[in-house]
Amino acid sequence: GDSVTQMEGPVTLSEEAFLTINCTYTATGYPSLFWYVQYPGEGLQLLLKATKADDKGSNKGFEATYRKETTSFHLEKGSVQVSDSAVYFCALMDSSYKLIFGSGTRLLVRP
Amino acid sequence: GAVVSQHPSRVICKSGTSVKIECRSLDFQATTMFWYRQFPKQSLMLMATSNEGSKATYEQGVEKDKFLINHASLTLSTLTVTSAHPEDSSFYICSARVYGLLDTQYFGPGTRLTVL
Repeated sequence: GDSVTQMEGPVTLSEEAFLTINCTYTATGYPSLFWYVQYPGEGLQLLLKATKADDKGSNKGFEATYRKETTSFHLEKGSVQVSDSAVYFCALMDSSYKLIFGSGTRLLVRP
Repeated sequence: GAVVSQHPSRVICKSGTSVKIECRSLDFQATTMFWYRQFPKQSLMLMATSNEGSKATYEQGVEKDKFLINHASLTLSTLTVTSAHPEDSSFYICSARVYGLLDTQYFGPGTRLTVL
């Protein structure tokens, strides 16, 4: 079945460092891909999405490009802030419009 | 906009009792709601999908008689964990979807259930 694999955390960075969180997927067809973020005590929020190959999703300085050839959707940000500390989930939407999540990656940004 | 709430945020109960968790869409009508379960350091696993006014569709391996889902209105879905046992302890998260926006789900903050 469809699945999502993302790098284990926690990822600890200093403020203004470059961030990459790896995400790869296995799916039949070409699913839509998502990154969600969960801040402490809050629900998951959609960060960005891409619906077809080579699409780039972007929001709040974060970017991810849908790479069909490598079945990847890595999350990047050029300069992280303390306020970016959260748990990030990569997900795909299968053909039944159900979300399948990766295990989540905790990011901790130190001042 | 698009806020989903859950109540309670935390609940502790004794083994054998039943617990009800509410999921509400506060500022929109949710034709479809989803219930997920999250184990520590693991991903969210979809338990069931509920559409307003109809029976929920459960994922494989989820006991429908143990996890009762009701979606009686366009703004409220409930999950009842019946005869709870310690292995039911987990973080339960709901999400809601607006009619016509198939790729958009709004998530609640989750409910931490601890069964003693």
